[in-house]
Formats: sequence, structure tokens, C-alpha cells
Amino acid sequence: EVQLVQSGAEVKKPGESLKISCKGSGYSFTSYWIGWVRQMPGKGLEWMGMIYPGDSETRYSPSFQGQVTISADKSISTVYLQWSSLKASDTAMYYCARGWYFDLWGRGTLVTVSS
Amino acid sequence: DIQMTQSPSSLSASVGDRVTITCRASQGISNYLAWYQQKPGKVPKLLIFAASTLQSGVPSRFSGSGSGTDFTLTISSLQPEDVATYYCQKYNSGPRTFGQGTKVEIK
Repeated sequence: EVQLVQSGAEVKKPGESLKISCKGSGYSFTSYWIGWVRQMPGKGLEWMGMIYPGDSETRYSPSFQGQVTISADKSISTVYLQWSSLKASDTAMYYCARGWYFDLWGRGTLVTVSS
Repeated sequence: DIQMTQSPSSLSASVGDRVTITCRASQGISNYLAWYQQKPGKVPKLLIFAASTLQSGVPSRFSGSGSGTDFTLTISSLQPEDVATYYCQKYNSGPRTFGQGTKVEIK
């Protein structure tokens, strides 16, 4: 089955670090870009950035550049999104999705940051 | 960066109505535009890519048109299961910006 499987929900405190994952299966993982999308509670979709697992070329939205890091480990068909110091405003659902336009989505990882 | 502006931000229509949502890009993007549907509490779903190509499995009452800066998503006959928020997204180059969304409800 073609799918993207995301890691589970996280509850963190401000200032903590976090790395969430997105594992692809059922297709040629290194041949498609994978993007990350943020959805804050009750808000719209925001494109954060993307990575090409084949060579780890990465592009970021100006809004998220320097705030998060996107990486990939093609040996295990997994892409990551990480924060070095979380803020309460990072509380959101984070989706990974495949392609230039997103034809395949993960189910999302809910990140809650609260003291 | 190119901005994507959708209108209206919300609409209410009757079952069977024709519904049109507009997406405008601040600069030309050729036909590098996708439309997504997100039902409440669900994962977004691709409806249309390349401005007018229907994704496999999407009902034919959905259609897309446009090129350059102005695009439309049309639902030819609104059904109760179409209640959702609809987003456009550019994907030609640079940030793959989404529009702010259009919430569709049944009157």
C-alpha cells in the first residue's frame, strides 16, 4: 500500500527539542519530494518546506527558515521535521505530503507545546 | 513571494447549487495550481492538479479552470458530503503557498 506514516502525537514544554517523522512505503521514496504542512488550531494550511530524499535537497518557506530543520534518511525511507527550541505557538497539526502538488498525505502529527 | 488569495472566505449554498471558488495569484503561475478539500477533522485531499486535471477517484461534479493568475474551482451540483474547506496551492517554483481557504456550508 502506498502510504506515508507519521509518528505519534507529542506533548512538550517550551524550550524543549523535538523531531517528528514521516515514513514512506509502497512507492519509490527517493523519487518524490516530501513537504511539511502546518495547520494551527482552527486555521488554514501553511507550507513549511520540502525535501528531495534522493539527494536531500531542501527548500524552506521564508516564514519557517531558521525555525525548523527538515532532513531525510533514505536508507529507511523517512523524512524528519525538527525543532531545537519549541514555543507555545508551535502547537499545531503537522502533515507530511508527497510531491510537487500533494497527492498523498500522512495522517498528521499533533504537537502540543505547553508549560 | 507569490501570494494566493481565495474568495470568498466562506459560502453557504443549497444542495444542488452550482458553487464557484476563486483563487488569484499575485504573479503568473501558468497552470501550476492544485485544489484540495479538507473535511472537518480530516486530512486534506487532492481534488485537482495542473489547474484542471481531476485527480483519480474525485467525483466529476468538481472541475477546475484558469491559467496565469486567475483560477476557479467549481462544484456543479453541491452535495451534503461536499461540506469542507477548500484550498488552492501554487507549485511552480519557490514556496508552495496555499490560499487561505474557503469554507463551504449547506444552507
